[in-house]
Amino acid sequence: SQTIHQWPATLVQPVGSPLSLECTVEGTSNPNLYWYRQAAGRGLQLLFYSVGIGQISSEVPQNLSASRPQDRQFILSSKKLLLSDSGFYLCAWSIRGRGGNQPQHFGDGTRLSIL
Amino acid sequence: AQSVAQPEDQVNVAEGNPLTVKCTYSVSGNPYLFWYVQYPNRGLQFLLKYITGDNLVKGSYGFEAEFNKSQTSFHLKKPSALVSDSALYFCAVRVPFLSGNTPLVFGKGTRLSVIA
Repeated sequence: SQTIHQWPATLVQPVGSPLSLECTVEGTSNPNLYWYRQAAGRGLQLLFYSVGIGQISSEVPQNLSASRPQDRQFILSSKKLLLSDSGFYLCAWSIRGRGGNQPQHFGDGTRLSIL
Repeated sequence: AQSVAQPEDQVNVAEGNPLTVKCTYSVSGNPYLFWYVQYPNRGLQFLLKYITGDNLVKGSYGFEAEFNKSQTSFHLKKPSALVSDSALYFCAVRVPFLSGNTPLVFGKGTRLSVIA
């Protein structure tokens, strides 16, 4: 069966520090991968998605970036964190293709607090 | 453009009563529709989806949803609510594409509180 792992589960970082959040998927090949941010337990904001290695689509301008160095690995990064980067970051995957009738499956998230 | 509306930020229901969490969508074409649940400090869990066929879709934990094309709605329902159903619920939509690689479009979420 397929599983998705995110780490760390919680992170406290000072303003201006760098960030690296990692997400890996097991048990499937060629997945679509997604990064979301959720503020205050409410709606989801799509940050990035990827349909293949090195293929990243950015949905909102921000000081975050994403990379996909391997098929099942998706990394969210920042060179200098802002207070507004605080939130709950969720990674998700879905089966590529099939006309879009497949759900996205989510990891358990990373809660990021910026001090 | 695709969009999803969840008109209620909060729904309160007594344990044992039926529950409904509302969702309406706006797309050009026939939609794929999904419901997710999120418990505190966890990721979203997939509950059910409508792709085609029977308008009543059954999913996990006794939940079901009814697709209504004329009202562009996909309301989530359960005949008898449990306290453990208290969580944040998200509706999502995607219009079928040949590649199917576009992300889901999510509603803002509805917080369900089931009171004992």
